[in-house]
This record gives sequence, structure tokens and C-alpha cells, in this order.
Amino acid sequence: KQEVTQIPAALSVPEGENLVLNCSFTDSAIYNLQWFRQDPGKGLTSLLLIQSSQREQTSGRLNASLDKSSGRSTLYIAASQPGDSATYLCAVPEETSGSRLTFGEGTQLTVNP
Amino acid sequence: KAGVTQTPRYLIKTRGQQVTLSCSPISGHRSVSWYQQTPGQGLQFLFEYFSETQRNKGNFPGRFSGRQFSNSRSEMNVSTLELGDSALYLCASSWIPGLAGVETQYFGPGTRLLVL
Repeated sequence: KQEVTQIPAALSVPEGENLVLNCSFTDSAIYNLQWFRQDPGKGLTSLLLIQSSQREQTSGRLNASLDKSSGRSTLYIAASQPGDSATYLCAVPEETSGSRLTFGEGTQLTVNP
Repeated sequence: KAGVTQTPRYLIKTRGQQVTLSCSPISGHRSVSWYQQTPGQGLQFLFEYFSETQRNKGNFPGRFSGRQFSNSRSEMNVSTLELGDSALYLCASSWIPGLAGVETQYFGPGTRLLVL
């Protein structure tokens, strides 16, 4: 059974700092890995999807990497802003169904002005 | 293009009652999945529907059920509510299921259910 872990559980940084969020998964036979953002009491917003054949994906100040062999992914946020404050979740799909996602517990990020 | 919509956004029920939540996927999307989010358990998969058929089911009791209509809209129902059913219920849509390598899922804003 796939298990997804995210470290740290919470992170507080000053504005402008570069930061890294970590995600690890136990079964390396994944099709892809997604990073989501969730604002308090809201739904999930997809940030980046990395295919299993890719090493990284970039969108603006966000860069996500994937190392299947070690079961790890990182989300790098450059020049953090207060608006980046949210919970960040990583998720991998179940091998057979594709649509069923297994989520990590999330990292709650606070960027202080 | 409108995103995934969920109604109602907030709901308060008492133990023993039943509740029905609705999800309208993005236009053209045919797969709808439901998730429960609680502080203790995080996000857990409930079920997935495609072409009006349940395609996958999570580890939840039979009190949790769902269905999908011909227009791809989906409803989930929880009968005999318990305090532990208090949660944020999220639905997600995608074009078709199984495209795990390329397809992202789009989530709605959720329905927050409080059971008293």
C-alpha cells in the first residue's frame, strides 16, 4: 500500500526566502506525482504534475523535482511571498486506477512579511 | 471554462440524519472522484464515478454512497450521520479516468459538513 509522507509538517519563513518542501513515497512504481496548494477552508489547486519520466517541472517561482528511485520529490519555492502562505500537499495516483490519489499530510507554510 | 462546483458549501446536521452533497464537474470532464478531509486522517479517497458507474471505492462504510448522472454531475450521500463524519468533502473531476500519466485532477471548493 502506497504511503506518502511530507516533511516538515509546518514551516515559517520570512518573506523573500527560498524554501524546499519534501515529499516521500514508499512505492516507486508511480505514474506521476502532483503538488497541490490548499488555502484555509478551501479546495485544492493543482500546482505542478511531474510525469514518471520527468525529473522536474517548473511554473513561475515553483520548481518540483522527482526521484523515483529514492521515492522522493521536492517542491522549491523561490523568493517566497506572504501570498504563498498555504498548505502544500503532494499526491500520487494508485497504480491500477490512476484516478485514486494518495495524499501526504501536507506542509503548512507561513511566509511572514 | 467554469471550474468544479460543489453545493452546498456549508451544512450543519445532527447525528442520525442523512445528507446529500452535489458536485458538477468541469464541462467535458466525465470522471468524478470524492474525498473526505479531516484534521486527523487527512485526505482520504471515497469513490470515483465514470459514465454513471462506480469505478473505484475507498475504505469507507456502506453509509457512504454516491451516484453519477448522465450529464456527469455526481452526488454523494451519507446516511445515519455520526460525529466523526464532520469533514470537508471534496470532489475532483478529470476528463477520463486512468490517464494517470498525463491527466491532472481539478478540485472543487468543497462542502464543509458539521455533524452535531
